[in-house]
Amino acid sequence: GQNIDQPTEMTATEGAIVQINCTYQTSGFNGLFWYQQHAGEAPTFLSYNVLDGLEEKGRFSSFLSRSKGYSYLLLKELQMKDSASYLCAAINSNYQLIWGAGTKLIIKP
Amino acid sequence: GAVVSQHPSWVICKSGTSVKIECRSLDFQATTMFWYRQFPKQSLMLMATSNEGSKATYEQGVEKDKFLINHASLTLSTLTVTSAHPEDSSFYICSASQGGDHQPQHFGDGTRLSIL
Repeated sequence: GQNIDQPTEMTATEGAIVQINCTYQTSGFNGLFWYQQHAGEAPTFLSYNVLDGLEEKGRFSSFLSRSKGYSYLLLKELQMKDSASYLCAAINSNYQLIWGAGTKLIIKP
Repeated sequence: GAVVSQHPSWVICKSGTSVKIECRSLDFQATTMFWYRQFPKQSLMLMATSNEGSKATYEQGVEKDKFLINHASLTLSTLTVTSAHPEDSSFYICSASQGGDHQPQHFGDGTRLSIL
């Protein structure tokens, strides 16, 4: 089967760094997305990785290892507004998007 | 760019009513749009893929006669929940991509549907 695994919930402190991991098993692979979703709102696009390595976008970075079926989202200089769910989604060989259940990130002062 | 507008944001109606939700890509053409459903504290669940000018592709377990999808133009898809019942109450979200299989999906703001 196809599935995405990511932790259900994480807690971090304002100003700190947090890494949210995602492992995937899909029938073929054509890239991986990270989305942010605040409670009661729709998801917003954060990043896309298809090649191995780190993609940096300001305070957020995303890493991919295709051989390990693994990705992480790194958030630096955490702010209270970063409290949200972070969704990992992989594209399979049929270009279908396989969604993870999301990681709820709680930021404490 | 890549703005998706969804309307209405909130709907509260009586059981048995049919509800139409619109999804528009405002600054790009979307040959494919997606309709999701999300229950509280759960992940997104893809309901169907809406293709412009052809029939939608429904995911297993989604009743196509219950959830009618029309994709009449490259910028508009509609989802109609027919004869809605309380169990249909949920957060419905549409998304669209600009084209190309590697393009991210951009989401509308979602519609919170409450059936009394």
